[in-house]
Amino acid sequence: GAVVSQHPSRVICKSGTSVKIECRSLDFQATTMFWYRQFPKQSLMLMATSNEGSKATYEQGVEKDKFLINHASLTLSTLTVTSAHPEDSSFYICSASGTGSGTKEQYFGPGTRLTVT
Amino acid sequence: AQSVTQPDIHITVSEGASLELRCNYSYGATPYLFWYVQSPGQGLQLLLKYFSGDTLVQGIKGFEAEFKRSQSSFNLRKPSVHWSDAAEYFCAVGAMGTGNQFYFGTGTSLTVIP
Repeated sequence: GAVVSQHPSRVICKSGTSVKIECRSLDFQATTMFWYRQFPKQSLMLMATSNEGSKATYEQGVEKDKFLINHASLTLSTLTVTSAHPEDSSFYICSASGTGSGTKEQYFGPGTRLTVT
Repeated sequence: AQSVTQPDIHITVSEGASLELRCNYSYGATPYLFWYVQSPGQGLQLLLKYFSGDTLVQGIKGFEAEFKRSQSSFNLRKPSVHWSDAAEYFCAVGAMGTGNQFYFGTGTSLTVIP
């Protein structure tokens, strides 16, 4: 149980275009979803936290107009990188927390490798 | 402020040798503690977790960790390392008081030599 999927696993886009990454909880209701960014050989950096039906809370230094997060249902959150530039190339990982005892944990997706050319 | 420290950036061990990866945390309340492993280009896999109770927790792949409140530590151990254990290891603290935000350590890269 507690499986989180991400789509796509890899995406290449041209500079100036937008790209959307989906994060789905497959077998539980995710009241909270988190988006992380990871640069090579580095740890995960929390970008934002989103609760279903509410606006996302962004970490300091993360541009909310560039990284649009939508959490419209209890099983789906999306991250849209708008007007992507090569410096946005990174590994993006989502995670989800459920209800009850599931609130103690975050279940991580497999990640999405974004390359902006 | 909450923080997690993994003092060892990189560790090299011989296959069959024992392993200990260090993790120290700073958190005002009782923490929820986790160890994850990440292979190159992959997501995070949960090795083990501590919420409460027995301070020695067993995880997958033969890993165990011990919570020591007095030392604010949650070190990961394995008695005999396999070549397939080579990966990046992350310690994390779950902070329930802040919407279950996780604080990750900087990671320890493990190399296993034959």
